[in-house]
Amino acid sequence: GENVGLHLPTLSVQEGDNSIINCAYSNSASDYFIWYKQESGKGPQFIIDIRSNMDKRQGQRVTVLLNKTVKHLSLQIAATQPGDSAVYFCAENIGRGSTLGRLYFGRGTQLTVWP
Amino acid sequence: GAVVSQHPSRVICKSGTSVKIECRSLDFQATTMFWYRQFPKQSLMLMATSNEGSKATYEQGVEKDKFLINHASLTLSTLTVTSAHPEDSSFYICSARTPGASEAFFGQGTRLTVV
Repeated sequence: GENVGLHLPTLSVQEGDNSIINCAYSNSASDYFIWYKQESGKGPQFIIDIRSNMDKRQGQRVTVLLNKTVKHLSLQIAATQPGDSAVYFCAENIGRGSTLGRLYFGRGTQLTVWP
Repeated sequence: GAVVSQHPSRVICKSGTSVKIECRSLDFQATTMFWYRQFPKQSLMLMATSNEGSKATYEQGVEKDKFLINHASLTLSTLTVTSAHPEDSSFYICSARTPGASEAFFGQGTRLTVV
């Protein structure tokens, strides 16, 4: 959904545990969603995406779940590693045609992985 | 993946001056680029959509005379912050979409500090 300018929620996990990061979106017409990882002082890095005609998609160590009924996304990271520590954002694509790629970002979650 | 480069990565300017930030797609042609702003500990906020050869489309609440966008070629978009003030200090990030694809790739961001 639209970012609300609030401070970031945090999630702390121990190395090797699984992490689940949640996100709510606002536009029921959105048809494409992306999860990004952002390290301090850097631009967002693509992790995984999902289209609205799917409810689950898996990548390497990551899984995205989409629940359109409640407009909810989650990112699951398996066997979390210290290198996964970063801020994670969900984004919904609100663009069409020539404006595909026009994204609204969620609040973000600061993930900290302890050794 | 596609590479998007921003320049400069950091800039400090005096209040009242203007500063230009460049966003380049290095290995693909981008008819559409996007500009975002991010304040510390907050999410990315879409500012405008930059279209090659035409005027930029600004999001609600973003001053087009304050943030001038030029997209003169298929590989370069520029954002000029005019008459900068300390409240314009922020992290500015661009993204570009490869033609026909939904995924947008992000630059590394530009840290602007107005003193």
